[in-house]
Amino acid sequence: SQELEQSPQSLIVQEGKNLTINCTSSKTLYGLYWYKQKYGEGLIFLMMLQKGGEEKSHEKITAKLDEKKQQSSLHITASQPSHAGIYLCGAVFLYTQGGSEKLVFGKGTKLTVNP
Amino acid sequence: DTGVSQDPRHKITKRGQNVTFRCDPISEHNRLYWYRQTLGQGPEFLTYFQNEAQLEKSRLLSDRFSAERPKGSFSTLEIQRTEQGDSAMYLCASSLGWGTGNEQFFGPGTRLTVL
Repeated sequence: SQELEQSPQSLIVQEGKNLTINCTSSKTLYGLYWYKQKYGEGLIFLMMLQKGGEEKSHEKITAKLDEKKQQSSLHITASQPSHAGIYLCGAVFLYTQGGSEKLVFGKGTKLTVNP
Repeated sequence: DTGVSQDPRHKITKRGQNVTFRCDPISEHNRLYWYRQTLGQGPEFLTYFQNEAQLEKSRLLSDRFSAERPKGSFSTLEIQRTEQGDSAMYLCASSLGWGTGNEQFFGPGTRLTVL
């Protein structure tokens, strides 16, 4: 079963509209990362959240991690065509000092922003 | 450009051939990761290096796969006797440390097509 569930799978919005993407885990996670990917390209790091209740913003994108550290949301305000792409959440589930802290990813949310 | 680089960007090969990919991490990063991404899925962890030591391997990494990081700088991923199921995007990521310093920065990927 998928350890990280992202919703929605795809999203089409009109330019200027706000939107939210969700990432849910059945287990408590150690760290939650958000990345953006253009088709056929690598991942661009957006934000990392570690503390329950933490919220970070960069330009028009805000990411939050709930108090239980099992759910995160990514909110884009006043979307622009440049926001289009695939948004991926990745989680570190196991933390041991010296461990790999490998990321487990959701399947991604494909965002289309129509001008 | 001081980001993670990967070479080649695209590789087309015939089934049964061997292929090798290279990853150059960000220069001061001692952690290096390989992931594999298939269409419509998030990246899946393959293996992890701390400096030159390969410390973790996924069960996805069959005997046909081998990875090295001989001097703790660049890394190579070799696939022997390629199969059509190996067709995927191979992504390399690097990070500086652990915990809050473990933001993983990804390269552009190598897209492998096995005919």
